[in-house]
Amino acid sequence: DTGVSQDPRHKITKRGQNVTFRCDPISEHNRLYWYRQTLGQGPEFLTYFQNEAQLEKSRLLSDRFSAERPKGSFSTLEIQRTEQGDSAMYLCASSFMGRIETPSAVTEAFFGQGTRLTVV
Amino acid sequence: KQEVTQIPAALSVPEGENLVLNCSFTDSAIYNLQWFRQDPGKGLTSLLLIQSSQREQTSGRLNASLDKSSGRSTLYIAASQPGDSATYLCAVPLDNYGQNFVFGPGTRLSVLP
Repeated sequence: DTGVSQDPRHKITKRGQNVTFRCDPISEHNRLYWYRQTLGQGPEFLTYFQNEAQLEKSRLLSDRFSAERPKGSFSTLEIQRTEQGDSAMYLCASSFMGRIETPSAVTEAFFGQGTRLTVV
Repeated sequence: KQEVTQIPAALSVPEGENLVLNCSFTDSAIYNLQWFRQDPGKGLTSLLLIQSSQREQTSGRLNASLDKSSGRSTLYIAASQPGDSATYLCAVPLDNYGQNFVFGPGTRLSVLP
């Protein structure tokens, strides 16, 4: 396993088009996270999954955004009717949460290389 | 609401210097803190994870400390090298167990040969 992989690495799309990104986490990791990062800023949390369940969504995740993790493995993030303000780097991360949920049961998060979206 | 700040925003040092990067957070009730490195146009690489029960963590030339009561963490880089040039980000979880992080804006480090 070479880590978290994201596809595509770059996407240029016209305003109003739909786009979909894919994330493949580290295979034994049960948690998967999506973040968005704009230039010069730290990443902002969008949503996360534990196995196939989407447990939390940020208020940044508007109705045009939807994320899935159908079999608890890979995840997709879709943006409908893209806007220029959606231009950003979209980052995926994964980690493992042990069966006994204590703070120390969470391993460190590993990030993918990101998908850079440009909406023109 | 948890807010994370980092100072300085940018730092330029000659090769070989020891340096300290600072991270502050407003809500001291955190369960862990993680430091990341990000190269331009790339994803994040995890450097160190400090659990709330720990005071520091070390990995090679990196040492991170955590003072929950004062809401501060520092990342110490010894004997800096040009390959250390990158943006360094600290992050704390939004909730008790997750890694739905709040990130700082980062410190952009340049190590000059």
